[in-house]
Amino acid sequence: GAVVSQHPSRVICKSGTSVKIECRSLDFQATTMFWYRQFPKQSLMLMATSNEGSKATYEQGVEKDKFLINHASLTLSTLTVTSAHPEDSSFYICSASRTGSSYNSPLHFGNGTRLTVT
Amino acid sequence: AQKITQTQPGMFVQEKEAVTLDCTYDTSDQSYGLFWYKQPSSGEMIFLIYQGSYDEQNATEGRYSLNFQKARKSANLVISASQLGDSAMYFCAMRGARRGGGADGLTFGKGTHLIIQP
Repeated sequence: GAVVSQHPSRVICKSGTSVKIECRSLDFQATTMFWYRQFPKQSLMLMATSNEGSKATYEQGVEKDKFLINHASLTLSTLTVTSAHPEDSSFYICSASRTGSSYNSPLHFGNGTRLTVT
Repeated sequence: AQKITQTQPGMFVQEKEAVTLDCTYDTSDQSYGLFWYKQPSSGEMIFLIYQGSYDEQNATEGRYSLNFQKARKSANLVISASQLGDSAMYFCAMRGARRGGGADGLTFGKGTHLIIQP
């Protein structure tokens, strides 16, 4: 159990366009999902916390108008990179926290999305 | 604020040898969880092992064990009898309890690139 599906796995888009990434928890409900960004050979950096039915919480330095997050149901969160530019090229990976879980529960990750902006 | 420090950017280990990956942490939380994840070159994050701040015994999961020394704030991962398939990035991470319930996302260290040599 505890499967998280993330789509697409790879996307190439032109500068100025928007890209939507979906993160679904397939066999559990997730009140909270987390979006991370990872540059090559670096660690995962938390971008934002997505809460079902409420506004996302963004980490310092992350532009909320550029990275739009919607968590419309207990199994789906989306990240939209708006007006993408080459510097937005990165590996984006989502994770889901099972509803009711706490600090002693692992996060389950999607397989990530490699975004390339040309 | 939470901080995870992994001081080994890369390690080379002979197949079948045991390997210890270092991790130290800093937090003011009393309740927290420590996790290790494996990230192969394909990018997915694979959960390996968990240790809770109140656990008195070291966690073990198959070939993985966690050497937890709370006073030193260290949570080293030990892989016994290493295999070629163990070659990957390894991340130490921490998760704290959130006031009012639930938990924060994971804070990651910079990772250790482990290469198992035949």
